[in-house]
Amino acid sequence: EVQLVQSGAEVKRPGATVKISCKISGHTLTKYYIHWVQQAPGKGLEWMGLVDPEDAEAVYAEKFQGRVNIVLDTSTDTSYMELSSLKSDDTAVYYCATVTQEYWSSDLWGRGTLVTVSS
Amino acid sequence: QSALTQLASVSGSPGQSITISCTGTSSDVGRYNLVSWYQQHPGKAPKLIIYEATKRPSGVSNRFSGSKSGNTASLTISGLQTEDEADYYCCSYAGSSSLVFGGGTKLTVL
Repeated sequence: EVQLVQSGAEVKRPGATVKISCKISGHTLTKYYIHWVQQAPGKGLEWMGLVDPEDAEAVYAEKFQGRVNIVLDTSTDTSYMELSSLKSDDTAVYYCATVTQEYWSSDLWGRGTLVTVSS
Repeated sequence: QSALTQLASVSGSPGQSITISCTGTSSDVGRYNLVSWYQQHPGKAPKLIIYEATKRPSGVSNRFSGSKSGNTASLTISGLQTEDEADYYCCSYAGSSSLVFGGGTKLTVL
């Protein structure tokens, strides 16, 4: 069974940086884009960005540009999302998901990682 | 990259049909047929229920159907069941390898 396994919950201070991992098991990441989605408590899904496995180039949503870094380690089939200059508004569950390049849809999601930003 | 527009909530009775709309622009929904819909139950990850505007992944009930006209995509759920109560999100390709989600619609099955 193919799964995306995300790292565990994090608690960070305002201004800090968080780095979350997303490892595929049962398959290889080289076939899919990997994207990251933020969901604040009680709020909707917000697209953050994605990484292209062919050239490791990342594309980011304007809202997160300059604060987010998404990378792909093909040797370990793991994607990482790093979000810096954390503020309380960044308290959220962060999901990784594969994106089928042909249809730009995601049929495989991680279970989410809760990041709490609190002083 | 503005979020796609969805009504915040919709409700229906078991057995009824409901439609959730998702309005974008000529740069996303109107330009590409690459609209997907996701169902999300509380505390769970989103689940893909429609892709490429009208197609259903294997294993998704045929009570779910999608359509698109101009800048608006729609999700119809027929024969409502209590387990359909969830949040529903549309998502569109927006060009330059980017995606944009709708704000989400909370479906209540009365």
